[in-house]
Amino acid sequence: AQSVTQLGSHVSVSEGALVLLRCNYSSSVPPYLFWYVQYPNQGLQLLLKYTTGATLVKGINGFEAEFKKSETSFHLTKPSAHMSDAAEYFCAVSSTGGFKTIFGAGTRLFVKA
Amino acid sequence: GAVVSQHPSWVICKSGTSVKIECRSLDFQATTMFWYRQFPKQSLMLMATSNEGSKATYEQGVEKDKFLINHASLTLSTLTVTSAHPEDSSFYICSARVGGILEDNEQFFGPGTRLTVL
Repeated sequence: AQSVTQLGSHVSVSEGALVLLRCNYSSSVPPYLFWYVQYPNQGLQLLLKYTTGATLVKGINGFEAEFKKSETSFHLTKPSAHMSDAAEYFCAVSSTGGFKTIFGAGTRLFVKA
Repeated sequence: GAVVSQHPSWVICKSGTSVKIECRSLDFQATTMFWYRQFPKQSLMLMATSNEGSKATYEQGVEKDKFLINHASLTLSTLTVTSAHPEDSSFYICSARVGGILEDNEQFFGPGTRLTVL
């Protein structure tokens, strides 16, 4: 079975500060990991994904995440927050041959001016 | 590329009526589509997995007769909420997987449909 835990339902940062959203996963098989962003009343947009290969993954809008197998983590970071980054972020896990994607509870990011 | 649309984007209906939501993959063929339900400030709950030309696979606790899913073509899946009640009010999101890329598992999401049952 697979599961995802996102630490912190709310994260608040100042504009220009580092963004760090935490995600830990549980999987009995090699995982595929995803980060999605959701703006109010909209669907989900893929920020980045890890399947195989390089463990540091770069995504859109300046976000990146690092797959750390030993820590079963896939934290999302961005060096400098923008006001437009304020949204809900979901970490998700899937696996080779598996159809289902399991989503974390989400972390709402607030960006203060 | 990989655009998924949903129609309608929002709908208000009376209790007891049925509502159909369409999910279309606009520029690719989707052998598998997923239907999710999202309550306010919560995560996505998978309702069912829909494969083209076959019956949908429902998650535990989801009523098959209430949430009818049809995936008649590689670009269209529909969710019909039958005899809707206020507790069915929610945000419904569909997603689609590109056929043939089984090793990736990336899903492309529609913009969602806000259903309000009065």
